[in-house]
Amino acid sequence: NAGVTQTPKFRILKIGQSMTLQCTQDMNHNYMYWYRQDPGMGLKLIYYSVGAGITDKGEVPNGYNVSRSTTEDFPLRLELAAPSQTSVYFCASSYRGGMASGSISTDTQYFGPGTRLTVL
Amino acid sequence: AQKVTQAQTEISVVEKEDVTLDCVYETRDTTYYLFWYKQPPSGELVFLIRRNSFDEQNEISGRYSWNFQKSTSSFNFTITASQVVDSAVYFCALSEARGSNYKLTFGKGTLLTVNP
Repeated sequence: NAGVTQTPKFRILKIGQSMTLQCTQDMNHNYMYWYRQDPGMGLKLIYYSVGAGITDKGEVPNGYNVSRSTTEDFPLRLELAAPSQTSVYFCASSYRGGMASGSISTDTQYFGPGTRLTVL
Repeated sequence: AQKVTQAQTEISVVEKEDVTLDCVYETRDTTYYLFWYKQPPSGELVFLIRRNSFDEQNEISGRYSWNFQKSTSSFNFTITASQVVDSAVYFCALSEARGSNYKLTFGKGTLLTVNP
């Protein structure tokens, strides 16, 4: 398994440009997440998804959008890039299931390698 | 509200020293998970351990050990006989385990530098 993969690894944007950060996982995890990490800080949750077709906001969603059309993919869209969005972005996935599913919930989030984004 | 505090911003040790990274958490929930992640200079986040709130047994994995004490809301991480490869930022994190709650709350991290 490749785990969680993210593309691109690095990107420089000009103010006002748009881009999509790609995230794919091959672990059949139902939950997926996007975080941003600013220097000297922990990670802050941007958006998350509990399954295909279901997304919701985290702590810092402004300026971002997401979609989840498949279990594997969870792209993050920046519509009008701003310098405040300069950060390292991490995608993560986890499995959460109940007794009815017959599976044991693990709740451990596994992270991709990150995308370093600079907005100038 | 959940909160994770890692009071040590930076720690510097000499190789082979033992070092303990502190983590104190706050939560109103009685069921929760605690995690430690390692972020080496290359930048990726590596999962180290998960502990649920009902299991207060200490855990040892090689040179790593974790001490979970609910009475003091602490989940400390000790590296024995530190090595240069242990140099990284270490994050403690907390998540609630009930219902559909997703939230994983991170501390700000502790930068550990192990000098040869």
